[in-house]
Amino acid sequence: DAEITQSPRHKITETGRQVTLACHQTWNHNNMFWYRQDLGHGLRLIHYSYGVQDTNKGEVSDGYSVSRSNTEDLPLTLESAASSQTSVYFCASSVGTPGNTIYFGEGSWLTVV
Amino acid sequence: QKEVEQDPGPLSVPEGAIVSLNCTYSNSAFQYFMWYRQYSRKGPELLMYTYSSGNKEDGRFTAQVDKSSKYISLFIRDSQPSDSATYLCAMSSRADAGGTSYGKLTFGQGTILTVHP
Repeated sequence: DAEITQSPRHKITETGRQVTLACHQTWNHNNMFWYRQDLGHGLRLIHYSYGVQDTNKGEVSDGYSVSRSNTEDLPLTLESAASSQTSVYFCASSVGTPGNTIYFGEGSWLTVV
Repeated sequence: QKEVEQDPGPLSVPEGAIVSLNCTYSNSAFQYFMWYRQYSRKGPELLMYTYSSGNKEDGRFTAQVDKSSKYISLFIRDSQPSDSATYLCAMSSRADAGGTSYGKLTFGQGTILTVHP
């Protein structure tokens, strides 16, 4: 079955370190997204991509970057991890047509100490 | 002020009760309205999708959209303990200049629902 997977599922890192969260989908979806989820804020969009070589900033993009070199993967990089980036991160993908389901991964729990 | 407001609850109801979950929004460009269900330590999953105003029913779930009031609702009839989860409303506008903005969702804070036997 097609799916969307995130890795690592849990990570503890130190302030100032670079961290990369991986996202891989096997649906061949054009659209991919990264959200973070925090208490009191719901899910907020970090970065998104509508296809290979396309990336766009979302609502809370400062301190994060993404690259899209193929259809299947959209890794999220924290350039220099900060305690404010302790959160749960969700990757998502969709065909891009209204009415089609947007699929979310299982989440990556990141703690910055 | 947030674009989408949702009462975080928590909401606790007895099994069999009718549950009403609501969101208000301020962006009149929103055209697509969704409800997601999220179980503990899992990713959100799409529950209901509605385009523009109107009602949509799927089993025990009914989604309503009132664009004139910028208000959406999700009703759960005959609630079950298995409905215990966080419910998130989400919205999207029409295609932007770079392609489709569908999937570029704006979420409410989520309402934590517990249905007790």
